[in-house]
Amino acid sequence: GEDVEQSLFLSVREGDSSVINCTYTDSSSTYLYWYKQEPGAGLQLLTYIFSNMDMKQDQRLTVLLNKKDKHLSLRIADTQTGDSAIYFCAEILFSGGYNKLIFGAGTRLAVHP
Amino acid sequence: GAGVSQSPSNKVTEKGKDVELRCDPISGHTALYWYRQSLGQGLEFLIYFQGNSAPDKSGLPSDRFSAERTGGSVSTLTIQRTQQEDSAVYLCASSSRTPSGGEKGTYNEQFFGPGTRLTVL
Repeated sequence: GEDVEQSLFLSVREGDSSVINCTYTDSSSTYLYWYKQEPGAGLQLLTYIFSNMDMKQDQRLTVLLNKKDKHLSLRIADTQTGDSAIYFCAEILFSGGYNKLIFGAGTRLAVHP
Repeated sequence: GAGVSQSPSNKVTEKGKDVELRCDPISGHTALYWYRQSLGQGLEFLIYFQGNSAPDKSGLPSDRFSAERTGGSVSTLTIQRTQQEDSAVYLCASSSRTPSGGEKGTYNEQFFGPGTRLTVL
């Protein structure tokens, strides 16, 4: 079945690294995504990784993909208070003749001084 | 340019009343999605439109929920006889198109609106 799981809450100190983890179920997913939702706002695509990659780095963000374990992680280096948000992991599922995103429940990241 | 807009931003209603939620997608985007975000439950897919047709309504939780899209643009999500469990944030997203068939597994970014927070008393 379709299921994307992630822990619901993470608290880190400003300047430390944050690691948000996610597991997914569809081994045929070609892309996996991280979305960010700031308070009172809609979701914004943060980054994505193609399934034939193990790692993708974009400035302070590092995405790691372990296809064997169906595990995806997002690492934020030098976490800032502006990084406080809910982070959603999503996989793509081809269903009903089109590509559909399946989201996890979201991880709320709290950054404290 | 203008992003996806939704109205109202907040809606408080009494149990049993009907509500209409509106989504204005990005101009030219043919694909439109509705999601529901409940506390601690992530995003639940409700319905997908390609143009004015809805090939996937599988996520609508009951027959009290319906949606339409006219002119390939604005969409309205209607909830009849609202219940307290309908309280959530309803998010709309649009994308330029959604690949299918031979483009299995590819993806065009979905752009999300700010959502409508619905509270049913």
